[in-house]
Amino acid sequence: DAKTTQPPSMDCAEGRAANLPCNHSTISGNEYVYWYRQIHSQGPQYIIHGLKNNETNEMASLIITEDRKSSTLILPHATLRDTAVYYCIVMPNAGGTSYGKLTFGQGTILTVHP
Amino acid sequence: DAGITQSPRHKVTETGTPVTLRCHQTENHRYMYWYRQDPGHGLRLIHYSYGVKDTDKGEVSDGYSVSRSKTEDFLLTLESATSSQTSVYFCAISDFNYGYTFGSGTRLTVV
Repeated sequence: DAKTTQPPSMDCAEGRAANLPCNHSTISGNEYVYWYRQIHSQGPQYIIHGLKNNETNEMASLIITEDRKSSTLILPHATLRDTAVYYCIVMPNAGGTSYGKLTFGQGTILTVHP
Repeated sequence: DAGITQSPRHKVTETGTPVTLRCHQTENHRYMYWYRQDPGHGLRLIHYSYGVKDTDKGEVSDGYSVSRSKTEDFLLTLESATSSQTSVYFCAISDFNYGYTFGSGTRLTVV
């Protein structure tokens, strides 16, 4: 069951910010928003996750709307190596001791151009 | 990725033969997963484990079995391989703080 909606593809110029949107209008109160990416032929790579507050790490920033029905992943200075498929996933966390099964949709193919 | 390894990385096998893929972790995580990835289908969960000898089916479990006799090892077995099981197989472990960590994948071709 598709719990998230993402655009199938996006383009970005190298050095510019890449803003990848995700809609998750049916998100539950205990569900987190996770972002992963997959570079061709490699395993998916964790980027960032959040519950309701905005988050930032060395890779990216995650902006979650106040109603939590959508979010945006921001790569502040995209490089050619950021070309990948980006997956937005919602996942429940039950007290931190058990984990939901990760359901991947089709993701967004981000192409970074020179 | 660090802490999780898959073997073999590549395998070609004949239809009808049994095949076992191995996933090994050094992180002592309770949860482990097997996914397959095919063009047009994204990643699909085959089986997962929530502890030693505790496993459950995912969305595409038909034709696959798993075993977990030790925390660090999660085995995926194709009892009688078919061409429809030609795919890239990914193992994953999960941790609340860092989500899921995936292995580098096993490319399986059934001829």
